[in-house]
Amino acid sequence: KAGVTQTPRYLIKTRGQQVTLSCSPISGHRSVSWYQQTPGQGLQFLFEYFSETQRNKGNFPGRFSGRQFSNSRSEMNVSTLELGDSALYLCASSLEGTGGYYGYTFGSGTRLTVV
Amino acid sequence: SQQGEEDPQALSIQEGENATMNCSYKTSINNLQWYRQNSGRGLVHLILIRSNEREKHSGRLRVTLDTSKKSSSLLITASRAADTASYFCATDAGRGNNRLAFGKGNQVVVIP
Repeated sequence: KAGVTQTPRYLIKTRGQQVTLSCSPISGHRSVSWYQQTPGQGLQFLFEYFSETQRNKGNFPGRFSGRQFSNSRSEMNVSTLELGDSALYLCASSLEGTGGYYGYTFGSGTRLTVV
Repeated sequence: SQQGEEDPQALSIQEGENATMNCSYKTSINNLQWYRQNSGRGLVHLILIRSNEREKHSGRLRVTLDTSKKSSSLLITASRAADTASYFCATDAGRGNNRLAFGKGNQVVVIP
């Protein structure tokens, strides 16, 4: 069974640009969550999607957005990039949002550097 | 504020020794989970303990949960060099929130 696939692995962007990250969950998993990891703030929840609908959202500005497609693949977008957006972005999938029963499966992440 | 919060000390031990990490949290939880992260890569789920459980084992891992003290501990027995990683606890409040609140992580170095 393939794991959670995140692309690209590394990304360098300039301040003010926008970026789109992609996440393909485990086959059959319909819940996809996104987390940001930085040395200063640690791991923080961004949002969760289920059946193409955003079910939960963390405390991030509106520059951070996401969507989920009918095949459960998810993308997150960050507009007007700031230096502070440099981080490892992790995607996690679970079956029907059952991460509370079996845990979540994380991808290897996308390392975003904003210069 | 973050729910899970490990004791922030880095741990350096010899191969074969046991490693113990602690985690405290602030509000009620549905379950608590431990994850491992190697060198800034993805998180690997290790073990989940529900709020009505007090202890759980999985291979060389033993996790305890004390909801009265809002704390948990993770014990890795007979550590190996491959256990070198950062370990995070994460709390799940349940009630359909489907989100994890992570602690800051505990860095463990196992010396061969």
